[in-house]
Amino acid sequence: KNQVEQSPQSLIILEGKNCTLQCNYTVSPFSNLRWYKQDTGRGPVSLTIMTFSENTKSNGRYTATLDADTKQSSLHITASQLSDSASYICVVSLAGAGSYQLTFGKGTKLSVIP
Amino acid sequence: KAGVTQTPRYLIKTRGQQVTLSCSPISGHRSVSWYQQTPGQGLQFLFEYFSETQRNKGNFPGRFSGRQFSNSRSEMNVSTLELGDSALYLCASSLSRGPGANVLTFGAGSRLTVL
Repeated sequence: KNQVEQSPQSLIILEGKNCTLQCNYTVSPFSNLRWYKQDTGRGPVSLTIMTFSENTKSNGRYTATLDADTKQSSLHITASQLSDSASYICVVSLAGAGSYQLTFGKGTKLSVIP
Repeated sequence: KAGVTQTPRYLIKTRGQQVTLSCSPISGHRSVSWYQQTPGQGLQFLFEYFSETQRNKGNFPGRFSGRQFSNSRSEMNVSTLELGDSALYLCASSLSRGPGANVLTFGAGSRLTVL
């Protein structure tokens, strides 16, 4: 069964600190892996999209890594800001006909406190 | 460039009623996909519409349906509402078919509460 597991479920960090969120998946065959940020009451916003051949991608203070061999990804947030408080969702796309199958993790809720 | 617009943002219904949600994609985007988000299940794919045709459907009962118009705007309908249908319903648009192969832009969602 294709699954995406994220850890931790929730995380509280002090403003200015770094943190790393984890995503493990069993989706196969794999097409791409995405990280989304979702603010409370809003729709998800794309942070990064990585294909099988990419092992790191950055978007400002957000850096995603991918190890396709171990089926693991991480999202590293540098110098956190209060505005980083949100849910971060890992999404893995199944390769194949139609390219429509997305498997979503349940997200990590990050709280950045002053 | 306007984003994805969903209406209404919030609505309250009672069991047994039906509801229609609307999604206007980014101009030029031809694919609209719908998702249900609940605290317990997270995000789940409902269906995708491209060129006015439903292309793919997730594992949801037939009470969930949708359509797409010639201007790419889409609606989804839920009939005979159940308490478990309370959720945030998100739509996303993309340039071409296949949400798994394209960059998705999500709307802010429609928060449905069923009493």
